[in-house]
Amino acid sequence: GDSVTQMEGPVTLSEEAFLTINCTYTATGYPSLFWYVQYPGEGLQLLLKATKADDKGSNKGFEATYRKETTSFHLEKGSVQVSDSAVYFCALSGIYNQGGKLIFGQGTELSVKP
Amino acid sequence: GAGVSQTPSNKVTEKGKYVELRCDPISGHTALYWYRQSLGQGPEFLIYFQGTGAADDSGLPNDRFFAVRPEGSVSTLKIQRTERGDSAVYLCASSLLAGGTHEQFFGPGTRLTVL
Repeated sequence: GDSVTQMEGPVTLSEEAFLTINCTYTATGYPSLFWYVQYPGEGLQLLLKATKADDKGSNKGFEATYRKETTSFHLEKGSVQVSDSAVYFCALSGIYNQGGKLIFGQGTELSVKP
Repeated sequence: GAGVSQTPSNKVTEKGKYVELRCDPISGHTALYWYRQSLGQGPEFLIYFQGTGAADDSGLPNDRFFAVRPEGSVSTLKIQRTERGDSAVYLCASSLLAGGTHEQFFGPGTRLTVL
């Protein structure tokens, strides 16, 4: 079945460092891909998405490109801030799943130090 | 406008008891999803509704779990004969329409602890 694998955390960075969180997926066809973020004490929020190959999703300085050839959707940010500290989840919605249910990775905790 | 709300925020119960968890979706959202999140894991799909009907309940772990959405708005997740392994955060999400391109908006979750 469809699945998502993320790099394990926690990831600890200094402010203004470059961030990459790896995400790879297994799915039939061309799923939609998402990054969700969970800030401390808050609910899950959609960060960005891409619905077809080679699309780039972007929001709040974060970017991720849908790579069909490597089945990847890595999250990047050029300069992280303390306020980016959160848990990040990669997710997919399969092409044959018309209802849109999400399949999540296990999450990657990011801690940014001043 | 108001987001997705869930009640209670915390529920502590004893093994074998029955519990109900409530979800109020965003007004006008036709699709409603339930997920379960164990500590240190990503959310796992349980069930989703399109309107009043359960369109996909393939994620419900067993027949102790049941969910309803009788008027196409509020939904209740019901767990019978709770077990310690049911302890988790139960998340509800809603979207305007069902489908992978529509954003799901998540509630804050209900933390269920079974003693």
